[in-house]
Amino acid sequence: GDSVTQMEGPVTLSEEAFLTINCTYTATGYPSLFWYVQYPGEGLQLLLKATKADDKGSNKGFEATYRKETTSFHLEKGSVQVSDSAVYFCALSGGVGTGTASKLTFGTGTRLQVTL
Amino acid sequence: DTGVSQNPRHKITKRGQNVTFRCDPISEHNRLYWYRQTLGQGPEFLTYFQNEAQLEKSRLLSDRFSAERPKGSFSTLEIQRTEQGDSAMYLCASSLGGTGGRETQYFGPGTRLLVL
Repeated sequence: GDSVTQMEGPVTLSEEAFLTINCTYTATGYPSLFWYVQYPGEGLQLLLKATKADDKGSNKGFEATYRKETTSFHLEKGSVQVSDSAVYFCALSGGVGTGTASKLTFGTGTRLQVTL
Repeated sequence: DTGVSQNPRHKITKRGQNVTFRCDPISEHNRLYWYRQTLGQGPEFLTYFQNEAQLEKSRLLSDRFSAERPKGSFSTLEIQRTEQGDSAMYLCASSLGGTGGRETQYFGPGTRLLVL
């Protein structure tokens, strides 16, 4: 079945440091890929998405590129802020015809803590 | 767009009692999903509706769980004879679904259930 593997956290960075959170996936067909973020005390929010190979999703300075050859969707940000402290979830929805197109499969989440 | 709302936000119950949660999706969204999230894990898919039809149920959804979406608007998730293992955050999401599962799911704040 579909699965998502994320790097374990917590990740602790100083403000303005470069961020990478690794995400790899296993899926049949051509899944769509997502990054969701969960700030303390809040619900899941979509951060960015990519729906086909080589697409780059971007939002709020975060970027991720859909790499089909390496089955990866790593999240990057060039300069993190304290306000980026949150839990980040990589997720996929299955490709057309796979029967899993409408549900999200999540990774376990990576907690990011940014300090001054 | 008032977002996805869930009630109650918190529920404490004793083992063996029944509980019911409600989800109100974004008004024009035809798809509604339920997920369960335990501490330190990513959300896991439970079930989803397209309009009033329940189209998929996870193996996680034991026969003690039942979900409805009458008239294709709000949805309820009922757990009968709760067990301590049911303690989790129950998340609802909605989307405007077409084909292929590429649409964005918007999440509510969740209902945190504690079974004593």
